[in-house]
Amino acid sequence: RKEVEQDPGPFNVPEGATVAFNCTYSNSASQSFFWYRQDCRKEPKLLMSVYSSGNEDGRFTAQLNRASQYISLLIRDSKLSDSATYLCVVNMDSSASKIIFGSGTRLSIRP
Amino acid sequence: DTGVSQDPRHKITKRGQNVTFRCDPISEHNRLYWYRQTLGQGPEFLTYFQNEAQLEKSRLLSDRFSAERPKGSFSTLEIQRTEQGDSAMYLCASSLARESYEQYFGPGTRLTVT
Repeated sequence: RKEVEQDPGPFNVPEGATVAFNCTYSNSASQSFFWYRQDCRKEPKLLMSVYSSGNEDGRFTAQLNRASQYISLLIRDSKLSDSATYLCVVNMDSSASKIIFGSGTRLSIRP
Repeated sequence: DTGVSQDPRHKITKRGQNVTFRCDPISEHNRLYWYRQTLGQGPEFLTYFQNEAQLEKSRLLSDRFSAERPKGSFSTLEIQRTEQGDSAMYLCASSLARESYEQYFGPGTRLTVT
């Protein structure tokens, strides 16, 4: 089993739709969680950290479910500009070498 | 521009040659990371510096790879005797120690080994 797993997609949804994807992680002791966005042939950019209480930033909501060992990202009222690959990142312990990136979920928003 | 910068952006080299990449982190960031990313995969950790000290190295990092951060500012990653399997995007990221590994990435150096 991979340490961090994501559905590769692609998720193809119409503009204005709500879309959600999950990311599962293997280590129950994992300490911190992030979502990054990566556009084609560009570097990853931090989208949001994921807190135990969940957090929201505009149209984006991130949730952590420690019992089931997954994090989720919800995008409401999707825009064409949301088309990208979304990378789930899990810090398995306190060391930098255990910052594990998922392979990403591709999202394509159609007009 | 006060973000992370990397140089060169692209490098094409022949197998067996040595290459060196440079990363300039965000100026107040004391943590610096190197990653490698191949198509369809997420970035894979290579090594990590806190200030000038190289604190962690991945088991993926063979002895052909070496990284330095001599004054705790910019860093270099050298690959000796390149192989075709080294072809990838090499990403540098930086962060502040107090920010719990919220990392900011540079644009990457795309290496092609022919």
